[in-house]
Amino acid sequence: AQKITQTQPGMFVQEKEAVTLDCTYDTSDPSYGLFWYKQPSSGEMIFLIYQGSYDQQNATEGRYSLNFQKARKSANLVISASQLGDSAMYFCAMRGPWNTDKLIFGTGTRLQVFP
Amino acid sequence: NAGVTQTPKFRILKIGQSMTLQCTQDMNHNYMYWYRQDPGMGLKLIYYSVGAGITDKGEVPNGYNVSRSTTEDFPLRLELAAPSQTSVYFCASSGTDGYTFGSGTRLTVV
Repeated sequence: AQKITQTQPGMFVQEKEAVTLDCTYDTSDPSYGLFWYKQPSSGEMIFLIYQGSYDQQNATEGRYSLNFQKARKSANLVISASQLGDSAMYFCAMRGPWNTDKLIFGTGTRLQVFP
Repeated sequence: NAGVTQTPKFRILKIGQSMTLQCTQDMNHNYMYWYRQDPGMGLKLIYYSVGAGITDKGEVPNGYNVSRSTTEDFPLRLELAAPSQTSVYFCASSGTDGYTFGSGTRLTVV
């Protein structure tokens, strides 16, 4: 069975510093995709970044990068130069079996950025 | 494009009442999903559909039903509301252009 684990319920970071949010996954499927979503207090799900299991390079999107370590089954999100607006819940998710495209979510990490 | 539209945004139900959460997408996505999110938790899959006329259970289907008569619509039915169904419900769809989430329905059962 596929599983996503986020072990950090909450994280604090000072503005302009970098922060890493941890995510480990478990799957027996050789083809999978990993996602990070941001959920601000307003509640919407905002897509941040995607990494495919066959991608050779780590994904980057602006201040977001994904530290993908396939052998360790980890897909950590790195946010550089944190901003106050980054304060939110962050969810790691994995795309399920190819014929269903389901997303399986972790329990999330609440990030708080302080001045 | 409107993307994924969910209605209503908020609803209060009494125990034992029934209701339908509506979800419509205009992206011609084959795959659609219903998730629930309990306070401080991640999203859990209730039901999903891989195309019109095809639905299947997710992780937490008890107390819910779905139908998919068209590509666009994927309503979620609660037959006998229980306090345990107090949650935020998200509808989503996916296609070659990725996943799109609705803005959510906040449901309280009292």
